[in-house]
Amino acid sequence: ILNVEQSPQSLHVQEGDSTNFTCSFPSSNFYALHWYRWETAKSPEALFVMTLNGDEKKKGRISATLNTKEGYSYLYIKGSQPEDSATYLCAFHNQGGKLIFGQGTELSVKP
Amino acid sequence: NAGVTQTPKFQVLKTGQSMTLQCAQDMNHEYMSWYRQDPGMGLRLIHYSVGAGITDQGEVPNGYNVSRSTTEDFPLRLLSAAPSQTSVYFCASSYSLNSHNEQFFGPGTRLTVL
Repeated sequence: ILNVEQSPQSLHVQEGDSTNFTCSFPSSNFYALHWYRWETAKSPEALFVMTLNGDEKKKGRISATLNTKEGYSYLYIKGSQPEDSATYLCAFHNQGGKLIFGQGTELSVKP
Repeated sequence: NAGVTQTPKFQVLKTGQSMTLQCAQDMNHEYMSWYRQDPGMGLRLIHYSVGAGITDQGEVPNGYNVSRSTTEDFPLRLLSAAPSQTSVYFCASSYSLNSHNEQFFGPGTRLTVL
């Protein structure tokens, strides 16, 4: 069983706060680690696909880091805005082709 | 490009009925997959396909069948619907297994089994 865990399950922050969440995944048989943003009543949309240990990726105020040896990735949001409110999913892509998602972190940003 | 399309958007079934959820993509993607989304469970992989004629089981395959006769289409069949299959179903595709490309998701099908 491939175990992908995300923490925290939910997060409530004020506009302007910076925040981060964690995704932990198996450290063996690694192929890639995906991050997705999922707004209510919409479909998940990709943020990052990370492949190499030590990878850091950035898109606007959102960035992510990857540690494949210890099996974790962090997603950071700098200066949260109400439009950042969404569920953030990570997914572990193993070498056999399976993409296994974590339960997600639900972020709520209050104005 | 239409991207990933799913039909129907909503469906209500009675226990024991069968049906097929349709998924199609026009991006020439080799890799396609089906997920179900349940509260507190995230997205769980049902079945996936790395190319036409090739399918494999995901985390929760029981009660579902798939086939991949063309690159474009990846239908999901419920053989005998059960209330436990009430869920939102998402189809997704990406370029290929051996690429580090993102997955593109369809709009979802909300299924209720009474």
